[in-house]
Amino acid sequence: GAGVSQSPSNKVTEKGKDVELRCDPISGHTALYWYRQSLGQGLEFLIYFQGNSAPDKSGLPSDRFSAERTGGSVSTLTIQRTQQEDSAVYLCASFQAAPHTDTQYFGPGTRLTVL
Amino acid sequence: AQTVTQSQPEMSVQEAETVTLSCTYDTSESDYYLFWYKQPPSRQMILVIRQEAYKQQNATENRFSVNFQKAAKSFSLKISDSQLGDAAMYFCAYTPGTYKYIFGTGTRLKVLA
Repeated sequence: GAGVSQSPSNKVTEKGKDVELRCDPISGHTALYWYRQSLGQGLEFLIYFQGNSAPDKSGLPSDRFSAERTGGSVSTLTIQRTQQEDSAVYLCASFQAAPHTDTQYFGPGTRLTVL
Repeated sequence: AQTVTQSQPEMSVQEAETVTLSCTYDTSESDYYLFWYKQPPSRQMILVIRQEAYKQQNATENRFSVNFQKAAKSFSLKISDSQLGDAAMYFCAYTPGTYKYIFGTGTRLKVLA
């Protein structure tokens, strides 16, 4: 695709429900990040996928959060039993090679609101 | 611990004027990379400019330039001839050359017509 896309753009859910957020990276990009952006905060690293390597999940805030990347392309971030503190914008980014020499391309994010 | 600090939550600039956004960071690394990202209301982060720490020359991209002071661990962004389209959140980011980025909390820039 022309850029990184994310769906849905906005998601409102009730506390305790599960949600799935989707990221479609740029075709050919081997690396993919998920970040969380809370109001008034910077970007919080959640998880990193690089090719076929085991993902770095060290940023996931609890075991309610999980992510997978199928076929080295599309990624899904799942939040189980959502809590109000999960409300944030979830951003996905992809890039082709080393992050410090290549640009991270970001998607428009999914705004999650937990009531 | 590696940290990135943006001490200006909000800044305003008159159209066509110049504005400087501040960023300081803390690291014990000697080689690393610094970035400024722009996030307009559409939420899509866009890379504005990057700086490699081993380069003494300040990076420049059209109306955007940085003042990189390695000893002071300072990395400010100067926007010249500000335009209405420059209004956005600006994030400073650091990576030591791994895939881990650390972002500041952002500065909201308002451009006044």
